[in-house]
Amino acid sequence: DAGVIQSPRHEVTEMGQEVTLRCKPISGHNSLFWYRQTMMRGLELLIYFNNNVPIDDSGMPEDRFSAKMPNASFSTLKIQPSEPRDSAVYFCASIFNGPGGPVNIQYFGAGTRLSVL
Amino acid sequence: ILNVEQSPQSLHVQEGDSTNFTCSFPSSNFYALHWYRWETAKSPEALFVMTLNGDEKKKGRISATLNTKEGYSYLYIKGSQPEDSATYLCAFCNFNKFYFGSGTKLNVKP
Repeated sequence: DAGVIQSPRHEVTEMGQEVTLRCKPISGHNSLFWYRQTMMRGLELLIYFNNNVPIDDSGMPEDRFSAKMPNASFSTLKIQPSEPRDSAVYFCASIFNGPGGPVNIQYFGAGTRLSVL
Repeated sequence: ILNVEQSPQSLHVQEGDSTNFTCSFPSSNFYALHWYRWETAKSPEALFVMTLNGDEKKKGRISATLNTKEGYSYLYIKGSQPEDSATYLCAFCNFNKFYFGSGTKLNVKP
């Protein structure tokens, strides 16, 4: 397997524009996580899906952020409209979450570095 | 908000030194504790997944212990090498959510 695949790797956009980040989890993994890394707050969980269903989006900063997982092999994180304070590295991760809970390894994608000017 | 604390925040050691750092987490609703190694400009890479009180895991020169009753885990690196330089993150997991600490940044000087 190629691992968790994120695209694009880098995104530079202007304030007010819509930004869509994409993630393909590892085949067979049933949980997917979106994280944001900033200098101030470190690595913070934005939202996670279990079996394509959003379970907890309490980490999503505000209504400008939305995430979808239309099928088991694809997820998007959308920011509309984007603001300079959204500049960060966004990571996607996936895990096989079995009956005993997340005792398996969480695999991270390479991240998308977003710069909003 | 669930607090996961790591200490120290950063560590500078000489090649060959052994070192350890701490991850503190709530002792209730524990599912698992994950340790990750995160090199600059890369993505976090899992080192260990620990689930049972008293667990000890080892991978080469790196080992970890877990105490779920008092809510802490230690990561040890024996004979540090420059290639061990990275940020070491722990993540506490309960109810399928991961809460990350802010990491310990290790710099090993040749």
